[in-house]
Amino acid sequence: KAGVTQTPRYLIKTRGQQVTLSCSPISGHRSVSWYQQTPGQGLQFLFEYFSETQRNKGNFPGRFSGRQFSNSRSEMNVSTLELGDSALYLCASSFGGGDSPLHFGNGTRLTVT
Amino acid sequence: GESVGLHLPTLSVQEGDNSIINCAYSNSASDYFIWYKQESGKGPQFIIDIRSNMDKRQGQRVTVLLNKTVKHLSLQIAATQPGDSAVYFCAENRNTGNQFYFGTGTSLTVIP
Repeated sequence: KAGVTQTPRYLIKTRGQQVTLSCSPISGHRSVSWYQQTPGQGLQFLFEYFSETQRNKGNFPGRFSGRQFSNSRSEMNVSTLELGDSALYLCASSFGGGDSPLHFGNGTRLTVT
Repeated sequence: GESVGLHLPTLSVQEGDNSIINCAYSNSASDYFIWYKQESGKGPQFIIDIRSNMDKRQGQRVTVLLNKTVKHLSLQIAATQPGDSAVYFCAENRNTGNQFYFGTGTSLTVIP
């Protein structure tokens, strides 16, 4: 079974630009969650989508948004990029019941200059 | 070798020894816990999980222990190998849907 696929693997953007990250979940998983990982803050929850609906949202500004498509694939968008948005963005898929493990992709490394 | 909670982020052990990685959690409502391994340049990889109605669960060379009284979780790795060198995270679900909270991680280095 194919794992979680995230594209692109690396991105370099300039302050003020916007970026879109993509995630393809494991087949059969309807939940997709996004996490931001930085050395200082660790893994922080951004949001979770289930059947095209956002179910949970973390404590991030509105510049961070996402969506999920009918095939469970998900995208995350960050607008008006700031230097502090530089991080590894991880996507995880699961069955979504809160009692099954998240399966992570290898992330997108975003650098904002 | 043994780490203590989140205050000792690094652990070095000799190859072949057993490793113990600890994690403290704060929310008594947490009912599902997961251990992840993250190698450089990769995403976290699922190792083992445990539900709050259990206190021990074993996998291949790994054991997770859950002590709900003191809100403590540990991961034991038997016969640690160089390939076990990585950062290990505990994650808890606080019974609030599918959102997980991650610990800060422990970096395990296996000395050949």
